Amino acid sequence: GESVGLHLPTLSVQEGDNSIINCAYSNSASDYFIWYKQESGKGPQFIIDIRSNMDKRQGQRVTVLLNKTVKHLSLQIAATQPGDSAVYFCAENNNFNKFYFGSGTKLNVKP
Amino acid sequence: GAGVSQTPSNKVTEKGKYVELRCDPISGHTALYWYRQSLGQGPEFLIYFQGTGAADDSGLPNDRFFAVRPEGSVSTLKIQRTERGDSAVYLCASSLQTESPLHFGNGTRLTVT
Repeated sequence: GESVGLHLPTLSVQEGDNSIINCAYSNSASDYFIWYKQESGKGPQFIIDIRSNMDKRQGQRVTVLLNKTVKHLSLQIAATQPGDSAVYFCAENNNFNKFYFGSGTKLNVKP
Repeated sequence: GAGVSQTPSNKVTEKGKYVELRCDPISGHTALYWYRQSLGQGPEFLIYFQGTGAADDSGLPNDRFFAVRPEGSVSTLKIQRTERGDSAVYLCASSLQTESPLHFGNGTRLTVT
């Protein structure tokens, strides 16, 4: 199978600080990427996506950066809030909309 | 609007029993996916439907697992002769078209005793 991994399994940040969650992917043919947020007992929730023809995409308080040269994806969350505490997954799509997920990064926001 | 609905939310069954898990996708979404998530892991692909047909079932672990989507909307994941290793959260997702975001339900937590 494909390898979608995260550099840090757990990330702790202070409320109000910016968070950066990283993800490495292995398949250079992947052309579509999504970041998901998952809270305990719930399904993954879409945050933001990016296609391979873009390097950066911004949403509300979130920015996704894509570096195809080193096959790296990051999610930046501005002014992190307690409600941002969750597990974050990146997912890559390289084969007819079959998404592969990494094992996730747990974000802890300290008040 | 209504999101993806999965029933039951929890299912406890004995080893060797048969179970069915149901998924109601978002209305109008033609693509439907089943994933399995073990504790501390990311979702693992099982099967993908485009309309009524299974476009890719390469993630089904063995022939005890089967899924149907007879009318191109509701889907049922069926597991025969359940084993303790089948215990996991089974997630369903739908999407409007190919290469668009997957919208997930809250999953069915299956426990095989």
